[in-house]
Amino acid sequence: DAGVIQSPRHEVTEMGQEVTLRCKPISGHNSLFWYRQTMMRGLELLIYFNNNVPIDDSGMPEDRFSAKMPNASFSTLKIQPSEPRDSAVYFCASSYGHSPTDTQYFGPGTRLTVL
Amino acid sequence: AQSVSQHNHHVILSEAASLELGCNYSYGGTVNLFWYVQYPGQHLQLLLKYFSGDPLVKGIKGFEAEFIKSKFSFNLRKPSVQWSDTAEYFCAVNDHTGRRALTFGSGTRLQVQP
Repeated sequence: DAGVIQSPRHEVTEMGQEVTLRCKPISGHNSLFWYRQTMMRGLELLIYFNNNVPIDDSGMPEDRFSAKMPNASFSTLKIQPSEPRDSAVYFCASSYGHSPTDTQYFGPGTRLTVL
Repeated sequence: AQSVSQHNHHVILSEAASLELGCNYSYGGTVNLFWYVQYPGQHLQLLLKYFSGDPLVKGIKGFEAEFIKSKFSFNLRKPSVQWSDTAEYFCAVNDHTGRRALTFGSGTRLQVQP
């Protein structure tokens, strides 16, 4: 299996621009998670989907962030407008099942730099 | 709310030394505990997890962890480290209420010197 695929791997943009991060979960997995990693806050959950439906978006920082999962094999995380404080590594993870004990498989991450 | 503390931010060991990385969590209910590893340039991958049963859990690559409920701890151990164990290690927790999001510790950077 190819694992969780994220694109782009690196993104450099200017403040005020729209940024779209993409994730393809492992085939057959029914849950998808977006995490953000920063030096100040470490790894924190932004949002997760179960069967394409957002279940918990309590970690989404503000209205500038939005996430969609139009089908079981694709999700996007959009930041509009972007700000320098959004600079971080954004990870996507997927899992199979409905239990909190299910293993989450992480993608390689997208390193976002907002100038 | 849950929180996870990893007090060792940076550990330097020589090959063949024994390893113990601390992890403490704060949550009064029943928890699931995880250790993830991130090798340089690679993605996070699961080392081991605990959710019930034997509190001593064995994972991949010779790692193990012990859940001590009275101490709210889930320390990671390996009897003899190798240079290839150089990585960042993250402890994480979620609970049995069904909220599946993981709460991560700040991570411990392990450097193994040959």
